[in-house]
Amino acid sequence: DAGITQSPRYKITETGRQVTLMCHQTWSHSYMFWYRQDLGHGLRLIYYSAAADITDKGEVPDGYVVSRSKTENFPLTLESATRSQTSVYFCASRGQGNTEAFFGQGTRLTVV
Amino acid sequence: RKEVEQDPGPFNVPEGATVAFNCTYSNSASQSFFWYRQDCRKEPKLLMSVYSSGNEDGRFTAQLNRASQYISLLIRDSKLSDSATYLCVVIANTNAGKSTFGDGTTLTVKP
Repeated sequence: DAGITQSPRYKITETGRQVTLMCHQTWSHSYMFWYRQDLGHGLRLIYYSAAADITDKGEVPDGYVVSRSKTENFPLTLESATRSQTSVYFCASRGQGNTEAFFGQGTRLTVV
Repeated sequence: RKEVEQDPGPFNVPEGATVAFNCTYSNSASQSFFWYRQDCRKEPKLLMSVYSSGNEDGRFTAQLNRASQYISLLIRDSKLSDSATYLCVVIANTNAGKSTFGDGTTLTVKP
């Protein structure tokens, strides 16, 4: 189906483990974004990408790594998970020009 | 100072009320503006774009004031189902194409 999908939807991991959250979109959108949203707070931009092989840091990039080898995929890796990274993670994509962004359903990550 | 600021609320209003939210932005090069709705930590969804001349979609009206650098959202005849968090979004070409979100304004419509 067309759209933007995230996997897994829910994940529990232990402190210190590496975790990768997947994001896939079928629109060939140029821009892709990763946000985190902590309980009671707004969205904070972690990383974004303007095109394949082009990524840039957002507000809160520390502890995260991204890659964009293909236009449709934008995985987010937590290199060594910490409890402070417990959050809901949203991936979004947007086409060229100043168009609206579309969000995936989110990944609820708990680090214990 | 945040690039995009919203009054967090909460706004608690009775059904049928009219309620307005404002959102201010600091980047004068901002070019595109949107309102999103987010329900209970689900994914944000586009409510409406905001055009320079202002635009309306049913009970919702969006306005842009470039001189004062703010956008507004007016909801008329509030319904219980309007209860949600409303996020404003700004895109500026000088910002590498990033979509910058406000922290949101929470609305609760009560019977």
